[in-house]
Amino acid sequence: AQTVTQSQPEMSVQEAETVTLSCTYDTSESDYYLFWYKQPPSRQMILVIRQEAYKQQNATENRFSVNFQKAAKSFSLKISDSQLGDAAMYFCAYINNAGNMLTFGGGTRLMVKP
Amino acid sequence: GAGVSQSPSNKVTEKGKDVELRCDPISGHTALYWYRQRLGQGLEFLIYFQGNSAPDKSGLPSDRFSAERTGESVSTLTIQRTQQEDSAVYLCASSLRGANSPLHFGNGTRLTVT
Repeated sequence: AQTVTQSQPEMSVQEAETVTLSCTYDTSESDYYLFWYKQPPSRQMILVIRQEAYKQQNATENRFSVNFQKAAKSFSLKISDSQLGDAAMYFCAYINNAGNMLTFGGGTRLMVKP
Repeated sequence: GAGVSQSPSNKVTEKGKDVELRCDPISGHTALYWYRQRLGQGLEFLIYFQGNSAPDKSGLPSDRFSAERTGESVSTLTIQRTQQEDSAVYLCASSLRGANSPLHFGNGTRLTVT
């Protein structure tokens, strides 16, 4: 079974600074997708960034970028120029190519200090 | 509607009663997932529907939990004889066709069993 591990229950960053959230996963498949979701207090899960495993290039979305290390099964999220609105729970997620196995990590609570 | 709609947004019930939670996916989305999120924890997979295929029920925690979906439309998650440990937020997500399509989440139903 696929597992996703987020080893940092909580992280804190100063506004305008950079923070990196860690995620590792375990799978025997070669084709899959990885995601980072943000969950603010409103409970709405918001897709932050998506990475296809067959792509070597790291995904980037504005201030958000990933460091995807396929051999190490690592998928960290870097948030640059942190803003107060970035404060939320962040979940790393894995889905297999068939789309029937979407697994989430336990989450990292990010706090942003003004 | 523009997004995934879940109802009710909050539900308080007495231990032993049955509850029914509803999810309206985005029109045309063939894949639908139910997740449970206990307070301060990650998302626990419950069940997955893909089109008219047999659902993947491997995440349902007990036979008190069941879910139905008619075609590619509304899904209902039913919890019979509720227990206090069933208290959680129940999240629904849908996507166009699975792994390589973005997942859209509803705002969840917060269930409290007293």
